[in-house]
Amino acid sequence: AQSVTQPDIHITVSEGASLELRCNYSYGATPYLFWYVQSPGQGLQLLLKYFSGDTLVQGIKGFEAEFKRSQSSFNLRKPSVHWSDAAEYFCAVGAPGFKTIFGAGTRLFVKA
Amino acid sequence: EAQVTQNPRYLITVTGKKLTVTCSQNMNHEYMSWYRQDPGLGLRQIYYSMNVEVTDKGDVPEGYKVSRKEKRNFPLILESPSPNQTSLYFCASTPGGLVNTGELFFGEGSRLTVL
Repeated sequence: AQSVTQPDIHITVSEGASLELRCNYSYGATPYLFWYVQSPGQGLQLLLKYFSGDTLVQGIKGFEAEFKRSQSSFNLRKPSVHWSDAAEYFCAVGAPGFKTIFGAGTRLFVKA
Repeated sequence: EAQVTQNPRYLITVTGKKLTVTCSQNMNHEYMSWYRQDPGLGLRQIYYSMNVEVTDKGDVPEGYKVSRKEKRNFPLILESPSPNQTSLYFCASTPGGLVNTGELFFGEGSRLTVL
């Protein structure tokens, strides 16, 4: 069965430091992969997506993610975190039948 | 502006009092879905609809009903709410078509408290 694991429930980084959020998936075929961000009191916004091709994808707000098939991973990165990046981040995989499976989320705290 | 609109955004109700959370999208999307978000569990799918008059259960459908009489609307109905349905609910849509990419467009959420 398809599944998505985000090993870190929460992460704290200093403003200006680099960030990496981990995501591992279980899926039989080439997956469609997504990262969404949820700011407090808001809905989910798509950060970036991977369908095929270049395994390093660029998204909005300076985020990028790398698809590694051998590791079944799709980690999200940002070189320099801003205080406004504090939010909850969800990794997701698109499965057959118009189904999207989400990870449990990683909450990012940014300290000054 | 392309959007998914949910109402109400916040609701406090009591056990057993029927309620409906509305969802409307203006993007002519075929596929619509309801999720609930609970701490530590991420988003879990309640029901989805692939088109008008076509609905199916997601992972946690118990205690919920849906209908899809028009393409743009997909209301979530709680016939007899219970405290374990206290949650944050999201409606989402996606264009549909032959290839499911899974890219979802979300409403802003409806926070429901059942006393």
